[in-house]
Amino acid sequence: GESVGLHLPTLSVQEGDNSIINCAYSNSASDYFIWYKQESGKGPQFIIDIRSNMDKRQGQRVTVLLNKTVKHLSLQIAATQPGDSAVYFCAENMEYGNKLVFGAGTILRVKS
Amino acid sequence: DTGVSQDPRHKITKRGQNVTFRCDPISEHNRLYWYRQTLGQGPEFLTYFQNEAQLEKSRLLSDRFSAERPKGSFSTLEIQRTEQGDSAMYLCASSVGQSEQYFGPGTRLTVT
Repeated sequence: GESVGLHLPTLSVQEGDNSIINCAYSNSASDYFIWYKQESGKGPQFIIDIRSNMDKRQGQRVTVLLNKTVKHLSLQIAATQPGDSAVYFCAENMEYGNKLVFGAGTILRVKS
Repeated sequence: DTGVSQDPRHKITKRGQNVTFRCDPISEHNRLYWYRQTLGQGPEFLTYFQNEAQLEKSRLLSDRFSAERPKGSFSTLEIQRTEQGDSAMYLCASSVGQSEQYFGPGTRLTVT
């Protein structure tokens, strides 16, 4: 079936370094992608989104890149901080704003 | 706090009992979603409402599950005759049409 997945289950980075979290998706018809951050015991927190008519979008310290040719999505976090430690999910939106399909998640650990 | 709220945050119940969870979306968000999340996995879509209309249900939503949004504001999710496999985090999210979904803190259900 079609699914969204992540290449790396755990990523450890040094505080101050940049982090890159990757995601592969399989549905070429998906038109909306979102990155969420989830801390232990909390619900997913919206980070940044991107629509399929864009290939890059920047937020505060975060950048999302979309490569539709290879169906790849990445989240870049600049100057990673201890507070960035969490599980990061990419999600794929099919059918114009209805259900999100989530990947399994990547654990980001920031070492001080 | 004007975010999505869920009640209760934790629920422990015995197998066979019925449970009901409540979600209050962000004010004026016309879409409300329910997801289920098990440990180490991303959230899985259960159902969603646009105003008071339930427009889509996942096949994960067995006949023991029912969701309502009677006035187009808060929503309830009821699970009848709970089973141990129902143990999970139940997440609610809301959005304005086709836009980012904002999640609540979730209700953690443990069925003993």
